[in-house]
Amino acid sequence: DGGITQSPKYLFRKEGQNVTLSCEQNLNHDAMYWYRQDPGQGLRLIYYSQIVNDFQKGDIAEGYSVSREKKESFPLTVTSAQKNPTAFYLCASGASQETQYFGPGTRLLVL
Amino acid sequence: AQSVSQHNHHVILSEAASLELGCNYSYGGTVNLFWYVQYPGQHLQLLLKYFSGDPLVKGIKGFEAEFIKSKFSFNLRKPSVQWSDTAEYFCAVNAADSSYKLIFGSGTRLLVRP
Repeated sequence: DGGITQSPKYLFRKEGQNVTLSCEQNLNHDAMYWYRQDPGQGLRLIYYSQIVNDFQKGDIAEGYSVSREKKESFPLTVTSAQKNPTAFYLCASGASQETQYFGPGTRLLVL
Repeated sequence: AQSVSQHNHHVILSEAASLELGCNYSYGGTVNLFWYVQYPGQHLQLLLKYFSGDPLVKGIKGFEAEFIKSKFSFNLRKPSVQWSDTAEYFCAVNAADSSYKLIFGSGTRLLVRP
């Protein structure tokens, strides 16, 4: 079954805690992306990676970190520096300038 | 910097009514244009896209969009909506000289009443 998987579906974070969101794709796409979705604001780009071992900051990278050690995987860490982490996080992949395909998302809540 | 504006934040229609959702972008260069849809509880899905060629593009489920370069617009249309079209719709743009990063509009929530 091809596609993009994200886990977990729901994630709870305590104050001062770092949490990591998983994103895996088996579409053989070079590029992967992380977006944050807040009500009424659309999707905003956090980080993106166009090739393994390389990634760039998006528009709202502060308080987040990523790695891209494998083509299939692009995990996102929400650090304690992110003061307003409650949101819906979407991972996407695509063949560079082509269409991006989205995963089911992870909803992060702060306890 | 690029930006995308969706003018209607909430739209309520009755079944069989016609739909037009506005989308304008601010960027002077060559762009690719997309409409995505997010049905309740589901993934964000591609509805249609425009890269080049015929400015009237047809997508899934009877949707179409027209690229009007002079107006920097890419409005989404459907002649007759169904209850199942209730969803949130996002317009998005990317461009070659910005590494093809997708810039999204703020979305339009469509409610179709049966």
